[in-house]
Amino acid sequence: NAGVTQTPKFQVLKTGQSMTLQCAQDMNHEYMSWYRQDPGMGLRLIHYSVGAGITDQGEVPNGYNVSRSTTEDFPLRLLSAAPSQTSVYFCASSSDSYLSGANVLTFGAGSRLTVL
Amino acid sequence: GDSVTQMEGPVTLSEEAFLTINCTYTATGYPSLFWYVQYPGEGLQLLLKATKADDKGSNKGFEATYRKETTSFHLEKGSVQVSDSAVYFCALGFLNRDDKIIFGKGTRLHILP
Repeated sequence: NAGVTQTPKFQVLKTGQSMTLQCAQDMNHEYMSWYRQDPGMGLRLIHYSVGAGITDQGEVPNGYNVSRSTTEDFPLRLLSAAPSQTSVYFCASSSDSYLSGANVLTFGAGSRLTVL
Repeated sequence: GDSVTQMEGPVTLSEEAFLTINCTYTATGYPSLFWYVQYPGEGLQLLLKATKADDKGSNKGFEATYRKETTSFHLEKGSVQVSDSAVYFCALGFLNRDDKIIFGKGTRLHILP
């Protein structure tokens, strides 16, 4: 049981380049989300999705795009990378079960992105 | 707005010492409360949770009690081990809230042998 899989684990970009961070889960979770983790800032929500075809913005969405064409996948796109986007990115998912274990997130191992 | 405040680290203890990591929250309504742990090089994983006032969450020797009167959810362990060295995040979340969980900034814990 793989859980939440993120790729790549490490990436270096130049300012202005684009890339996609991949996230896939095999638990049939309806809810998926992307966080960024920065020193002294904790985790901040970028975008989230409550099901295929539905996405919404979190706390820090600027500079990022997402889509959710399937239940399993939730890619995060950086269209024009900036040094301020240097961070560790985590994808997380959750079952849509508000009555039991609500809000328990399963995290991927993270993707470390450096923008030069 | 809703927020979580936890003690700043790093916290350094000797093995077998008693651990407390403070966490307080501000929220409208009645959130569920969580502690997540992040071991080096890994993603976060749920350590324990409590869904209503006076509930006690426990796991791996760690405990935390949901205190509504003091809006707190302090993490405790009676005897820490070197393997407990990690970053600990306090968090809150609401039923039926799509923006899910709000995390504290994390507390790094170092346990010395």
